[in-house]
Amino acid sequence: AQSVSQHNHHVILSEAASLELGCNYSYGGTVNLFWYVQYPGQHLQLLLKYFSGDPLVKGIKGFEAEFIKSKFSFNLRKPSVQWSDTAEYFCAVSLMDSSYKLIFGSGTRLLVRP
Amino acid sequence: DVKVTQSSRYLVKRTGEKVFLECVQDMDHENMFWYRQDPGLGLRLIYFSYDVKMKEKGDIPEGYSVSREKKERFSLILESASTNQTSMYLCAGGGRPFYGYTFGSGTRLTVV
Repeated sequence: AQSVSQHNHHVILSEAASLELGCNYSYGGTVNLFWYVQYPGQHLQLLLKYFSGDPLVKGIKGFEAEFIKSKFSFNLRKPSVQWSDTAEYFCAVSLMDSSYKLIFGSGTRLLVRP
Repeated sequence: DVKVTQSSRYLVKRTGEKVFLECVQDMDHENMFWYRQDPGLGLRLIYFSYDVKMKEKGDIPEGYSVSREKKERFSLILESASTNQTSMYLCAGGGRPFYGYTFGSGTRLTVV
C-alpha cells in the first residue's frame, strides 16, 4: 500500500535556525507532492507543491522543498525560521491514477522559540 | 479560491446515535474528500468522491458511509456512533490535484 513517512514528529528550534523536515513516500508511479501547514486553531493550507519540472520548488513564506526521485523524498526547508512558523506540517502525495486522492504523512509539529 | 464549509465546528453525540457531518464547496469541483485527523496519526482518508453519486472507500471506511447527491455537497454519515470515532473530521474539495485541495475548518466530534 502507498504510504507517506515523516520521520520527525516534533521539532523545536530557536528563531533564525534553519529547518529541514523529512518526507518519504512509497509509490513507484508518477506522483504529485505537497506540503500543507496547519497553524494553531486554523485550517490546513497549501504551502507548496511539486507537479513536474524543476525539482526545487518554492512556496509561500520562504519555504522550499526538493524532490529527489531516486530517494522518493520531498523534504521541506527554510533557511531561517520565525516564531510565526510554529505549526504542524504535513507532507502529502497524490497518485496519478484516476482517483486524485491525497495520502498524508503523520505530521510534524514545529515549535519555534523566540 | 475554493471555499469549503463544514456545517458544525463542534458536535457532541451519544454512543449509538446516527450522525451527519455536512460539507459544502462553493466551486464546481469534482473531487471531495473526508478525512479524520488524530494526534500522531496525521490525516487518514475515510471516503472520497470524484463525481455526483460516485464514491470510493479510503483507508478507514469502516463505520462510515457517505452521500453525494449534489456536486457541491458531500455528507459523512456515522451509522451508529462509537467512542472510537471521537476525532477531528476534515472535508476537502478541489479539481485537478495540481492546484492542491482546499480544506474546511473541521468538525470536532466527541462521542460520549
